[in-house]
Amino acid sequence: DQQVKQNSPSLSVQEGRISILNCDYTNSMFDYFLWYKKYPAEGPTFLISISSIKDKNEDGRFTVFLNKSAKHLSLHIVPSQPGDSAVYFCAATRSGGYQKVTFGTGTKLQVIP
Amino acid sequence: DAGVIQSPRHEVTEMGQEVTLRCKLISGHNSLFWYRQTMMRGLELLIYFNNNVPIDDSGMPEDRFSAKMPNASFSTLKIQPSEPRDSAVYFCASSPYERSTDTQYFGPGTRLTVL
Repeated sequence: DQQVKQNSPSLSVQEGRISILNCDYTNSMFDYFLWYKKYPAEGPTFLISISSIKDKNEDGRFTVFLNKSAKHLSLHIVPSQPGDSAVYFCAATRSGGYQKVTFGTGTKLQVIP
Repeated sequence: DAGVIQSPRHEVTEMGQEVTLRCKLISGHNSLFWYRQTMMRGLELLIYFNNNVPIDDSGMPEDRFSAKMPNASFSTLKIQPSEPRDSAVYFCASSPYERSTDTQYFGPGTRLTVL
């Protein structure tokens, strides 16, 4: 049972345009969400996160939007750069002490120069 | 400061053989996670240690898998006997605290191929 779903395995975007990566979750108990970025032959690295008390969090070119009623979040990258080409993992968890972090299957983003 | 270190980076073995994957945590971190990445299931948590104690092993597939943390900075994941379906990339990650909202720092992974 995949509780965090990234339905688009891949995405191609022109340099300078907006990249939108989507993520859906099924567990209504999740209240904290994270995005990790992974380059080939490297481990994932933390990118940005959002708590369910917010509906938007911004960090430079990266913005995460959360729609709790739809159980949907999205990562916007504006403007996209070739160095953003990577696999992006969406993850969800419950806050407070230890709780398992559940990851999606990832979306491979290719930014075309 | 060195990040999480994993060895070997690649492992090719035959079905039935024992495989041992190794992980060195970032100094000062007290939480250790082992994950398995496959195309179909993404990143799956196998086991979580805090202060060398296994806290959550609900993701360990079966008795063929075992993990240990003999000291605060080192962990092993052993598969015995290995099967072709165990082929995947295995990551370990460490975190300074046990809160789920804390950033996890991943190693570069071990790509395991079981023939």
